[in-house]
Amino acid sequence: DVVMTQSPLSLPVTLGQPASISCKSSQSLAYSDGDPSLTWFQQRPGQSPRRLIYKVFNRDAGVPDRFSGSGSGTDFTLRISRVEAEDLGVYYCMLGTRWPPRYTFGQGTKLEIK
Amino acid sequence: QVRLVQSGAEVKKPGSSVKVSCTTSGGTFSTFAITWVRQTPGQGLEWMGGIIPVYGRPNYAEKFQDRVTITADTSSRTAYMELNSLTSDDTAIYYCARSAGYNIDSYDPTFDYWGQGTLVTVSS
Repeated sequence: DVVMTQSPLSLPVTLGQPASISCKSSQSLAYSDGDPSLTWFQQRPGQSPRRLIYKVFNRDAGVPDRFSGSGSGTDFTLRISRVEAEDLGVYYCMLGTRWPPRYTFGQGTKLEIK
Repeated sequence: QVRLVQSGAEVKKPGSSVKVSCTTSGGTFSTFAITWVRQTPGQGLEWMGGIIPVYGRPNYAEKFQDRVTITADTSSRTAYMELNSLTSDDTAIYYCARSAGYNIDSYDPTFDYWGQGTLVTVSS
């Protein structure tokens, strides 16, 4: 089974400064493995997860452009160019496959404001 | 606007079952996949399984396939997740989420909308 490993697990940041979260897959999956795709979610305290980025780098409508996703193969990154107070929460990466449908989450990275 | 509204919190005894519902509004219900994800302090987020209502046959994660039953009612636009043989380890927030559905065994590899979550507490 694929394992998704995020780092760091805790990320204290200063408002206005950049932040970066890494997500590594234990396997590199090809299209033939079910069209795998990497998603990033934000979960604010007391809320459901909210999708920010899908298919590695596509930002959802309404997501500020300070959020960006990149990566390929086994290494993926979520970047926040300038952290704002509303960004605090936990960020999860998820690797999904289309066939068969399978979804594996990273452990989560808690973004804290210094 | 797409909304997924889940049933309320539950308190269950060990060994019993729980059934959580997820009612959708907006968008097309029958051809999207409704999937269930749970969140625990120990295991984080775990995908449990999903269903495309128009096909009616669910897909389950191996970890849960012996204990979970996922169904859908197209007339009420509601999906259900029933988990049996509950233990304290099943204490969690259970979410439903939506993804595009392609065929009975093929869902989009991402979720665009989530329900508000249902807290299930298992305690004697």
